[in-house]
Amino acid sequence: GESVGLHLPTLSVQEGDNSIINCAYSNSASDYFIWYKQESGKGPQFIIDIRSNMDKRQGQRVTVLLNKTVKHLSLQIAATQPGDSAVYFCAETPNDYKLSFGAGTTVTVRA
Amino acid sequence: DTAVSQTPKYLVTQMGNDKSIKCEQNLGHDTMYWYKQDSKKFLKIMFSYNNKELIINETVPNRFSPKSPDKAHLNLHINSLELGDSAVYFCASSQAASGGETQYFGPGTRLLVL
Repeated sequence: GESVGLHLPTLSVQEGDNSIINCAYSNSASDYFIWYKQESGKGPQFIIDIRSNMDKRQGQRVTVLLNKTVKHLSLQIAATQPGDSAVYFCAETPNDYKLSFGAGTTVTVRA
Repeated sequence: DTAVSQTPKYLVTQMGNDKSIKCEQNLGHDTMYWYKQDSKKFLKIMFSYNNKELIINETVPNRFSPKSPDKAHLNLHINSLELGDSAVYFCASSQAASGGETQYFGPGTRLLVL
């Protein structure tokens, strides 16, 4: 079936370095993608989104890249901070309201 | 100022009991959702309501029954609780039930069935 997945379940990064979190999706009909951040004991929090007519979108310290050719999505976090430690989920929806979530990547920031 | 709130935050109960989880959103959104997050952090949609009408009903046991008294509230009632129901349940809401609408999540209800 269609699925959204992340390449790596865990990522350890040095404080101040840039982080890259990857996500592969299989539903070619997907046209809207979202990255969520979930801190321990909290609900997922919206970070940034991108529509299929774009290949890059920037926010504050975060950039999402979309490569529709290989069905790949990535989240880049610049100058990673301790507060960035969390589980990151990519989610996609093929033009409806049912979000499909990937398994999540746990990011740990080393001081 | 809580946008999406859930009660209770923690729920510990015995197998076979019936329990309810409540959700409220003050964002003025039309659509609300229930998700289940398992021990491996995998999030899966269970139900969705748009203006009090059920629009998504995934393959969920019929022991789970959502109820939406108005568009700001979506409650989840679970009958005959089983060990496998132990998980974190998240409520979410979005402006509309259409592709591309950001969903905002509540803090979660941690359910433990003993």
